[in-house]
This record gives sequence, structure tokens and C-alpha cells, in this order.
Amino acid sequence: DQQVKQNSPSLSVQEGRISILNCDYTNSMFDYFLWYKKYPAEGPTFLISISSIKDKNEDGRFTVFLNKSAKHLSLHIVPSQPGDSAVYFCAASAREYGNKLVFGAGTILRVKS
Amino acid sequence: DVKVTQSSRYLVKRTGEKVFLECVQDMDHENMFWYRQDPGLGLRLIYFSYDVKMKEKGDIPEGYSVSREKKERFSLILESASTNQTSMYLCASSLPGQGIWEQYFGPGTRLTVT
Repeated sequence: DQQVKQNSPSLSVQEGRISILNCDYTNSMFDYFLWYKKYPAEGPTFLISISSIKDKNEDGRFTVFLNKSAKHLSLHIVPSQPGDSAVYFCAASAREYGNKLVFGAGTILRVKS
Repeated sequence: DVKVTQSSRYLVKRTGEKVFLECVQDMDHENMFWYRQDPGLGLRLIYFSYDVKMKEKGDIPEGYSVSREKKERFSLILESASTNQTSMYLCASSLPGQGIWEQYFGPGTRLTVT
């Protein structure tokens, strides 16, 4: 039973437009959420995070939104660039579970130029 | 820059062989992790360690063991490799406390068990 779900396996966006990647979770104990980005033949790299006490966190072109009542978070990339093409993993953590990260299955983002 | 290195990028082993995957980090991180990545399943935690000689099971520890004799090195051991252990294996490290979630990953080892 996957506690963190990324229901879109892939997403294709035109360069300059907004990319929206979605993530749903089922465990209400999760209190910290992260997005990781992975290029082929490389390990994932940390992108942005948000605590459950916030509903938005912004870092340059990347913004993460958290809707706790819906158990949903999203990553917005504006404007999208070809270099953003990668696999994006959503991850969640809970202090009660020893701060282990639970990852979603990932979404492949393709930004077309 | 934090660097996490893994001993092999690609590995092919036979069923029943003992397999060692090595991971080394150069930033004096307390925490180290082993994950496997499979299509449609994302990253799943196998084992992790908060300190030297300390280990804790993750979500899928069956068929695996680990060793952490030095702070910078965390080894994953497949005692008797099976075909269902064919996967991408990723090692990661992080600082304690608030930094635990911002994990730094190695490039991965793609293991094929035939």
C-alpha cells in the first residue's frame, strides 16, 4: 500500500510554460515533504521542501504547495526550461516513524523547446 | 560539495552469489541509507544507519544485511542473490536533526542477477 502516490507517470510541457507535478499522501502523520529531482545515470538531488505548518514554499522558479486537508502537494515550475526534464520524486516524512523518507513512484517531466 | 560514491555503476551476478555494494561519503555525515529503485515503485528504504556499528531496518530489509564499521562507509550485502533483487541500488547520506531529510545520493549501482 503506497502511502505517497504520484498518479501521473509522465508530463510533457512546452518551454516557458508552467509545469505542475502532483503528489497525494494517505498518512496524516506525515509532517515534512520534499521533492527530489533525478537525471538519468545520476542519483536524486534535493530540490525543495515544506513543513506541514506551512502551505507554500518558494525557491526561485520552484514553488511547492501543501493542502493538508486534501493530503495533496504540488510542485510548480515557472517558467519551465529544457534542463528541467528529469524524474521528480515526491517524499514524505514523520517524526513518529523515525524520520524515514517515504517516496512516491516518480513523474517523468519532459520540457519541449 | 558533498560526494557520495558507490563502488560500481553496473554489476552482473549469478543467483546464489554473495554480493557486496559499497558506499562512501566524504562529508562526515552521521546518517547513511540504502534504497532500491524499481519502476512504478519509486525508492524504497532497505536499511539505514545513524552511527558507526548501528543499523536499523527500513521497509524492505528481507534478503539484505548491512555493515558500518567506519563513519564514511556503509555496505549493503546480499547474502544469496536472487533474480528479484535485480534493481537500481542507491546510497545516500545526511546530517542529523533537521538535515536528515535532505539526503545526498550516490549515482547508483544497477545490479542484474541472472
